[in-house]
Amino acid sequence: SQQGEEDPQALSIQEGENATMNCSYKTSINNLQWYRQNSGRGLVHLILIRSNEREKHSGRLRVTLDTSKKSSSLLITASRAADTASYFCATDPLFSGGYNKLIFGAGTRLAVHP
Amino acid sequence: GAVVSQHPSRVICKSGTSVKIECRSLDFQATTMFWYRQFPKQSLMLMATSNEGSKATYEQGVEKDKFLINHASLTLSTLTVTSAHPEDSSFYICSASRDIQNQPQHFGDGTRLSIL
Repeated sequence: SQQGEEDPQALSIQEGENATMNCSYKTSINNLQWYRQNSGRGLVHLILIRSNEREKHSGRLRVTLDTSKKSSSLLITASRAADTASYFCATDPLFSGGYNKLIFGAGTRLAVHP
Repeated sequence: GAVVSQHPSRVICKSGTSVKIECRSLDFQATTMFWYRQFPKQSLMLMATSNEGSKATYEQGVEKDKFLINHASLTLSTLTVTSAHPEDSSFYICSASRDIQNQPQHFGDGTRLSIL
């Protein structure tokens, strides 16, 4: 079953604008990860943030994690048309019975218009 | 980054056919691989965890006799959809992960299965 929810479900912005996606989850976690999926393709890993971390950056990506609220956000700055894709958060729950078993959120479909 | 190869990328076949999908970890040994199913515009649903040298662990509601998983080596897992029917049509994706805590999963490019 899905661990959490993402909002918005869909986001449409202009190139150059920032895009923010939010993710909530239900149980305690080892880490939270963000992935990107282009239409009809597999997923590409973007960022992993551990449960004891609060913020992480990678290029134009910024991820925050609030374990007290069981929520995370992904910010893409200065968006480009090539950022158009679906973005998923995924949690690695504590006591899941094995390393790195992930539960995925519902995803946010981002469209960046030139 | 790590590379996972999934083959075939697209299968169209008649109802009743069994279809095998391969997932290969090309540059690291993967004791554990994962198989997902994804419906259009929806998230990934974990079907099973594939363990090298032992039986796969299936998620609740996934028929193990319908979706046969074999993980015969540290670099290869296969998913066989047996006696496929139109309702089995979907996008199937595999992933592999190093068996160290706090590691990402590396995904194949998926297999689009269409049963006529």
